[in-house]
Order: sequence, then C-alpha cells, then structure tokens
Amino acid sequence: NAGVTQTPKFRVLKTGQSMTLLCAQDMNHEYMYWYRQDPGMGLRLIHYSVGEGTTAKGEVPDGYNVSRLKKQNFLLGLESAAPSQTSVYFCASRETAGNTIYFGEGSWLTVV
Amino acid sequence: GDSVTQMEGPVTLSEEAFLTINCTYTATGYPSLFWYVQYPGEGLQLLLKATKADDKGSNKGFEATYRKETTSFHLEKGSVQVSDSAVYFCALIDNQGGKLIFGQGTELSVKP
Repeated sequence: NAGVTQTPKFRVLKTGQSMTLLCAQDMNHEYMYWYRQDPGMGLRLIHYSVGEGTTAKGEVPDGYNVSRLKKQNFLLGLESAAPSQTSVYFCASRETAGNTIYFGEGSWLTVV
Repeated sequence: GDSVTQMEGPVTLSEEAFLTINCTYTATGYPSLFWYVQYPGEGLQLLLKATKADDKGSNKGFEATYRKETTSFHLEKGSVQVSDSAVYFCALIDNQGGKLIFGQGTELSVKP
C-alpha cells in the first residue's frame, strides 16, 4: 500500500461530533476514491474525484462531504457523526488511464 | 448505474477442491474488471485484472475471463489451499466516468 496514506487509522467519536479523514497520495494520480466497508456489504463508494478541484457522489454519499483542494489530498468529512457511520474507511487512487489501483490501509471509525 | 453482483457466501470447500466464484456486472461502455482479495485483518490486494473482452487474468493459480456476451468475470481455481481462505471482491472501473465499483464480497473458507 505504499503511496496512499490515510490518517487517522483509528478514531472513536461521540454522536454529533465532526471529524475529517485525510487521504494523501504521492503518485500524482488524478483519480481518488473514498469507500466504507461494512460486514456483508462489501466496499461501497462514498465520493470520488477525477482531478484537483472536482468531486462527485458515489453510492452512499449522505452524511459525508469531501474536498480535493490539492491534487495529492482527498479529505472526507463527517459533519455530525452518527452510529450508522461506524465503519472501516478505505481510500484509493489511480492514474487517469491506469488500471492499477492503490489502496490505503484503512481507517477504523467508531461512533458511540 | 454501474453495478457488480457476486455470488453470496460464505463458500466452504475442502482443500484441493475446485473453486468458482461468480461475478456479473452492469455497465455502460467497456469497463475494466478486477478481482481483489482481503485476508483477515488486512487491506485489499489485487489478485488479477482484465481490461477488454476475452482477456484472461491470472495470478497464483486463480483465473478469470472477461466475457462481454454474458457480462461476467467468474473467478476460478483448480485446487484451493487453506491459505486461500479470505474474502474475494469483484470490481469494475467505468472507463468513461471514472467510477470504481465493488461487489459485496464472497467469503471463502477452505478446510484441511
């Protein structure tokens, strides 16, 4: 997973608190993605970005916001955390014409 | 929209048995197709990929063929080992819009 770094790796939040997950890649990739992984649900796409300054909604965008102000960073924000957002979050990146996808190691978020 | 459907798990096999995990997809255009594997407590690792119709991806004894006529990308292995126990994810890249979509995952358990 070299090249894609997620921070923090673990976090416990109280309901209603806000937080931001950071995904950073040093490979100059255009495409970046945020997923959540829940038991039996696979990886569901939250938001994605096809380049600096752009974002788009995925399959489950509600309750999340994202920003891509710099090409190397893709931020995922939870404005008011809910227990339903307890999950493992994965970031990924790839080149525009590339079929090689690089994943971060995951961020474990618990909302109590 | 684009989607990936995998056979439900868990799949339980004896060592040296033949494995098939079904994957079908819905997509506009001509997506690239992937199989990822996730071992317990770890992130996702690319297992194999195929970028156009009739391509066969292979790695570590696993194979999958991109079948455009049946919109399928079934994963096969002739003789599974206990060490193959993991969750397997089928995925596609929508090469037009850039989305990267995963199936729900199929858990494989191989018994000695």
